[in-house]
Amino acid sequence: LAKTTQPISMDSYEGQEVNITCSHNNIATNDYITWYQQFPSQGPRFIIQGYKTKVTNEVASLFIPADRKSSTLSLPRVSLSDTAVYYCLVGPSNFNKFYFGSGTKLNVKP
Amino acid sequence: DGGITQSPKYLFRKEGQNVTLSCEQNLNHDAMYWYRQDPGQGLRLIYYSQIVNDFQKGDIAEGYSVSREKKESFPLTVTSAQKNPTAFYLCASSPSTGQGASEQYFGPGTRLTVT
Repeated sequence: LAKTTQPISMDSYEGQEVNITCSHNNIATNDYITWYQQFPSQGPRFIIQGYKTKVTNEVASLFIPADRKSSTLSLPRVSLSDTAVYYCLVGPSNFNKFYFGSGTKLNVKP
Repeated sequence: DGGITQSPKYLFRKEGQNVTLSCEQNLNHDAMYWYRQDPGQGLRLIYYSQIVNDFQKGDIAEGYSVSREKKESFPLTVTSAQKNPTAFYLCASSPSTGQGASEQYFGPGTRLTVT
């Protein structure tokens, strides 16, 4: 599995756009990039998955450059309720034994 | 309402006792998983099962046991051999293969405290 590196923590203010970058230099040709969100004392929740370029859903956008060695999760106009830990995972889309690292702890301030 | 249920939400046990954590899903998923999470840490995979009557050890299986007799159920037993059992335990499920296998659905978790 490709190893991922992401910042340990980030601070933001309500209403701002937040971009969390994940590095995955050893990503394989058939690997997808998947992001999960976890609130305190809850299980993680799938946010978004992509292979290349840009993917957008009702929650977030995922930007993947042409070389796919990194990806950026973009959260538009965050609110206090977006305070959570965000995990970046890399693996084939039909693969389910993932490694959840420590993730990025996002703290949204009023 | 489809989803995963874990019970109980909080569990307290004395050291030396085995304890079984329940996990049930009605999503018709073939694959199920157990993770452990310690404070401030990521999730670590204990066991996973791709299909009924089959399961595999994850990264930290020592001191734990599982069974998968029904598609809907994947109970985890924390045995007295687990040196540091106090943790937050999360159960998840997903399709076994194909597109969507990587989207895991998690239960609400069980917080186990052993004293």
